[in-house]
Amino acid sequence: DTAVSQTPKYLVTQMGNDKSIKCEQNLGHDTMYWYKQDSKKFLKIMFSYNNKELIINETVPNRFSPKSPDKAHLNLHINSLELGDSAVYFCASSPRRDTDTQYFGPGTRLTVL
Amino acid sequence: DAKTTQPTSMDCAEGRAANLPCNHSTISGNEYVYWYRQIHSQGPQYIIHGLKNNETNEMASLIITEDRKSSTLILPHATLRDTAVYYCIVRAGGYSTLTFGKGTMLLVSP
Repeated sequence: DTAVSQTPKYLVTQMGNDKSIKCEQNLGHDTMYWYKQDSKKFLKIMFSYNNKELIINETVPNRFSPKSPDKAHLNLHINSLELGDSAVYFCASSPRRDTDTQYFGPGTRLTVL
Repeated sequence: DAKTTQPTSMDCAEGRAANLPCNHSTISGNEYVYWYRQIHSQGPQYIIHGLKNNETNEMASLIITEDRKSSTLILPHATLRDTAVYYCIVRAGGYSTLTFGKGTMLLVSP
């Protein structure tokens, strides 16, 4: 009965590969987010979707493409992986786009070799 | 969103109150103060938020100064499981996003 879940938890891959990270929330929330936490532990917003519609894109390279098949899912696909993409990626959700509280998933640690 | 300043780290003895300060001297009238924490290897967790008045919930209390330029998060009886990085975030209402800074690493010791 996990509220916000992500798969996989760990992802190790070679430079140049394409990979996806999946996120699902069972809270009935309208809004979902992707954050990136780099090696210096800074947590930065990447994308936000509201009811399957992209509402925030924080100048993320277009190698990153979020996809929301329905409002309970927000997947992150990354093309042509680079060393600098190594980080922990967190998915989050909130009841609405203007809601105070965001609920975060456990994170996916991506390592690009 | 207004910038916040927090101490890099703090220590607290188990069972004692942990008081985590945050400066937000450029806060605007419509900006709220939020606190999140991140326990090692987990996703951030919402703690509490407020606008002007002091707030309390089952996790913590938030004290905001009258001029709103600073606030303090209080964990009344810290436990070892409260060891985490605590983030003070100032965010306008509406559709703005959360901007995380460096936070304060709170270490609760036996």
